[in-house]
Amino acid sequence: EVQLLESGGGLVQPGGSLRLSCAASGFTFNTYAMTWVRQAPGKGLEWLSAITGSGGSTYYADSVKGRFTVSRDNSKYTLYLQMNSLRPEDTAVYYCAKLRFSNYVGANWFDPWGQGTLVTVSS
Amino acid sequence: QSVLTQPPSVSGAPGQRVTISCTGGSSNIEAAYDVHWYQQLPGTAPKLLIYGNNNRPSGVPDRFSGSKSGTSASLAITALQAEDEADYYCQSYDSSLSASVFGGGTKLTVL
Repeated sequence: EVQLLESGGGLVQPGGSLRLSCAASGFTFNTYAMTWVRQAPGKGLEWLSAITGSGGSTYYADSVKGRFTVSRDNSKYTLYLQMNSLRPEDTAVYYCAKLRFSNYVGANWFDPWGQGTLVTVSS
Repeated sequence: QSVLTQPPSVSGAPGQRVTISCTGGSSNIEAAYDVHWYQQLPGTAPKLLIYGNNNRPSGVPDRFSGSKSGTSASLAITALQAEDEADYYCQSYDSSLSASVFGGGTKLTVL
């Protein structure tokens, strides 16, 4: 069974940093692209970032470009999201998800999703 | 403002049929990028419901179906059940943004 488990969320002050992790199991990790999506309280889903199976290419939404960095350690079956210069509007539940293909192509869908980890940016 | 537009809410009585629309533009749905649908039950993570416009993953009841035409896609749910009450999101890819995009979500209420 494919499983994804996020961790690393918590309370951080504006301007601070946080690193999220997503531990994967049940599939050959390096053969699939992965992605991060967030959901602010009471709001919809927002795509943030994606990384190819090899880790060689990364992609970002304009809202986080330059502040967030996605990476992966294929030997540890783990996906990461380094978040810097955090703002109150970054407060959300952050989900990782597995993509259908090894590359980040337009046909990709997200399945499955992890349970999410809550990040709160507040002083 | 989401790139893909969905109605904020729809409702229906048990046993009825409802549809949820997802309207995009020339750089996403009309550009032949696939549309996918997700169901988010209260307090849970989203779950894939329809992929590639009209395909159901294993385990999804055939009461759920998807279609796509022109700049829009639709999710249809027949024989509505109380357990279908959830938020539904469409997702595609936008070539002008070089990004995956979601609709704003539609809350389905079963009356």
